[in-house]
Amino acid sequence: KAGVTQTPRYLIKTRGQQVTLSCSPISGHRSVSWYQQTPGQGLQFLFEYFSETQRNKGNFPGRFSGRQFSNSRSEMNVSTLELGDSALYLCASSWALGSNYGYTFGSGTRLTVV
Amino acid sequence: AQSVTQPDIHITVSEGASLELRCNYSYGATPYLFWYVQSPGQGLQLLLKYFSGDTLVQGIKGFEAEFKRSQSSFNLRKPSVHWSDAAEYFCAVGARGSTLGRLYFGRGTQLTVWP
Repeated sequence: KAGVTQTPRYLIKTRGQQVTLSCSPISGHRSVSWYQQTPGQGLQFLFEYFSETQRNKGNFPGRFSGRQFSNSRSEMNVSTLELGDSALYLCASSWALGSNYGYTFGSGTRLTVV
Repeated sequence: AQSVTQPDIHITVSEGASLELRCNYSYGATPYLFWYVQSPGQGLQLLLKYFSGDTLVQGIKGFEAEFKRSQSSFNLRKPSVHWSDAAEYFCAVGARGSTLGRLYFGRGTQLTVWP
């Protein structure tokens, strides 16, 4: 079956702009999590959605937001982009809430802010 | 606070040599434990996981890991490394008995394999 699909793969934006990233989970998976990966901070948890509700949130400013649709697809939005937002954004899906169900990660969206 | 430490930022081994990547965690109780691998420009692939039971777990690509509660460690091993194993490896922990699915990751260990 198809894996976790993230679009686009690469994105270049200008400071101050906003961006929306998309994640389609594995069919049947209802939990979607987002992580930011940078050389300086490593992998940091952004948020987790389940049944269209945000269930868990990491320590990121309000410029970072997300949502989940009824088909479990998720989007994350970053407004007023800063240079420090340049990162690989990874999406992970799981069948249910709780880390014991395991996570499958997508290939990520590489965001460059110039 | 939960934390994961991977003491080795970079490891170089020769092809065919054995490998051990270290992982120590700090957590309130025994967490769920994971090892992921990331190739350049790619996402994370799950190598193996420990939930309970036998403390020696087998994963894909010939990897295994041993959970040692007394040392709060979950080290990854492979008896004979292949050139294709060159990648970055991440240890992660997740909350046991919680519906909060967040994972805490270590900073990763970059593996270089000499031919």
